[in-house]
Amino acid sequence: RKEVEQDPGPFNVPEGATVAFNCTYSNSASQSFFWYRQDCRKEPKLLMSVYSSGNEDGRFTAQLNRASQYISLLIRDSKLSDSATYLCVVTLRNQFYFGTGTSLTVIP
Amino acid sequence: DGGITQSPKYLFRKEGQNVTLSCEQNLNHDAMYWYRQDPGQGLRLIYYSQIVNDFQKGDIAEGYSVSREKKESFPLTVTSAQKNPTAFYLCASSPRLEGTQYFGPGTRLLVL
Repeated sequence: RKEVEQDPGPFNVPEGATVAFNCTYSNSASQSFFWYRQDCRKEPKLLMSVYSSGNEDGRFTAQLNRASQYISLLIRDSKLSDSATYLCVVTLRNQFYFGTGTSLTVIP
Repeated sequence: DGGITQSPKYLFRKEGQNVTLSCEQNLNHDAMYWYRQDPGQGLRLIYYSQIVNDFQKGDIAEGYSVSREKKESFPLTVTSAQKNPTAFYLCASSPRLEGTQYFGPGTRLLVL
């Protein structure tokens, strides 16, 4: 059983659209949660941490639902530059567990 | 500039050869990590180190070895025992275990 599960997509959305990704985790003891962004053939880069109270950074909103064990990422007003793979990450017992990523393509 | 560097960007390995991938960080981070990424798969942990002169096996350590003689450096050796080494190798560091991880640009290893 994987620690983290993501819908791989791909998600193809028009510019300006709102898109949401979900990610589920299997262990209720998971402690910290993150979203990373990975461009093609590049390293993952931290997009944002996810807090229980939810947090927003510009067009990006992340939420955590501990009861249902999922985290979400909402992107509003999509830009062409948002095209990338988005990785969900949880930590458990000092280790990071990465989802396989959700691919997003924003279409002009 | 502070950051994590990995070299080389591309590496070719012949059958039966050991190769070493370099990872250096000047962020003064205690923890360092090595991951492997294959197409369509998530990152898988090879080894991690919480502090100098200490390291632990991750989920897929077989066929790999590491050392942590200096805080700044965490080289990974891909030995001939690793039968399927072709992958994208990513090094990361964090201020402490479970702290936010920051990645180097990666090394692509190909087998000739």
